Amino acid sequence: ELKVEQNPLFLSMQEGKNYTIYCNYSTTSDRLYWYRQDPGKSLESLFVLLSNGAVKQEGRLMASLDTKARLSTLHITAAVHDLSATYFCAVISNFGNEKLTFGTGTRLTIIP
Amino acid sequence: NAGVMQNPRHLVRRRGQEARLRCSPMKGHSHVYWYRQLPEEGLKFMVYLQKENIIDESGMPKERFSAEFPKEGPSILRIQQVVRGDSAAYFCASSPPLRETQYFGPGTRLLVL
Repeated sequence: ELKVEQNPLFLSMQEGKNYTIYCNYSTTSDRLYWYRQDPGKSLESLFVLLSNGAVKQEGRLMASLDTKARLSTLHITAAVHDLSATYFCAVISNFGNEKLTFGTGTRLTIIP
Repeated sequence: NAGVMQNPRHLVRRRGQEARLRCSPMKGHSHVYWYRQLPEEGLKFMVYLQKENIIDESGMPKERFSAEFPKEGPSILRIQQVVRGDSAAYFCASSPPLRETQYFGPGTRLLVL
C-alpha cells in the first residue's frame, strides 16, 4: 500500500522567514502534486511534478521532486500571511490507476 | 470554462436516510474521482470513473456506498442508510483524457444527525 508522509504536520512561521515542507512516499512514482486548502474550502492545484529533478516555482513557493529518494519538498521563501493554509502533497503510483494518495497535510500559520 | 461543480454544497441527513451527491466535471474532462475528507485529515480516494464505467473502486466501503457516471448527466455518489461516521466532506475531481492534474470541486459537506 502506498504511503505518503508529510512533515511537519504543523508549522508556525514568522513573516519574512524561509521554511521547507517535506513529502516522502513509499513506492515508485514520478507523478507528484502539491495542493493548497484553505479552511472549509476545496483544494487548489499548486504544482505538478512529473519527472526526477523537476523544479517548479510560483511566487514565494518552489517545489522539487527527487524520485530516487522518493522525496518532494515545498520551499517557502519570505513567508507572508496570505500563505497561511494547509498544504497537501499527493502521489500517483506508477503501478496503479489514477488515484491520488494524499499526505496528512501541513497546516501552515504565518505570524505577523 | 466552469470548474468542477458539486451539489449540494451542504447536506444534512438523519441516520438511516440516503444521501445523493452530484458532480459535474469540467468541460472536456472524461475522468471523475471521488475522495472523502474526515475532519482534520487528508483526503482518501474512494472511486475512479469514466463515462459508464467504474475503473477503480478500491476505496469504496463494501456496503451502502455506490457511484455512477452515466453517459448523460453528472456523476452520482450515493450513500444508503447513512450513519454518523459518514459525516465528512466529499470532494469530486476531474481530469482530461491525458490524465494530468486532477481539478477539485468545492465539495459537499455531509452531516449525519
